[in-house]
Amino acid sequence: DAGITQSPRHKVTETGTPVTLRCHQTENHRYMYWYRQDPGHGLRLIHYSYGVKDTDKGEVSDGYSVSRSKTEDFLLTLESATSSQTSVYFCAISESWGGEIFSNQPQHFGDGTRLSIL
Amino acid sequence: DQQVKQNSPSLSVQEGRISILNCDYTNSMFDYFLWYKKYPAEGPTFLISISSIKDKNEDGRFTVFLNKSAKHLSLHIVPSQPGDSAVYFCAASEPNYTGANSKLTFGKGITLSVRP
Repeated sequence: DAGITQSPRHKVTETGTPVTLRCHQTENHRYMYWYRQDPGHGLRLIHYSYGVKDTDKGEVSDGYSVSRSKTEDFLLTLESATSSQTSVYFCAISESWGGEIFSNQPQHFGDGTRLSIL
Repeated sequence: DQQVKQNSPSLSVQEGRISILNCDYTNSMFDYFLWYKKYPAEGPTFLISISSIKDKNEDGRFTVFLNKSAKHLSLHIVPSQPGDSAVYFCAASEPNYTGANSKLTFGKGITLSVRP
């Protein structure tokens, strides 16, 4: 198993409160991603990082921010949680091999954080 | 606009038979395709992938077929086992020219049930 730890695994909070989810990896991979999974939607990319302090938006980034101050940690923050952000959140990591055309490598996922916002 | 489509939400097969899971895509720029398996309360697990320069990739009981003209790929599991019962996601990405590993676009998933 890829060394990915997500914390907390479960959280219940109230609308309007800030929430931070943590993803920690021991693989020293360059790329890290945050997804959310909702019924009828599969997995959707929220934000991703391609290096320390290098991040970019994904498909559903509104209401979320991220930070990566160290290679091993990628934080997802909901500044003011809303009920629509109730979801299961997955972190993923990957590496790519250098070359004229970088070859894709599969992403490997953590076990998720189930977040409920009441 | 859904770029990766898994139109069948579920599939049930008998143990020992073949499972065929289908996936269609609309983005002609996709050149790398993956299948993930997911058990409840766990993260998705990478199963198998295929590059657009190939039309088939095999790994043990799992084979992925790619038909670029039809924008269709399928995952074959032979023989199917009860432990294969899970949700299977198809995913795809565009070419990776800059070293920034490509973002994945996922389908909604198919629930496979393998009956003993």
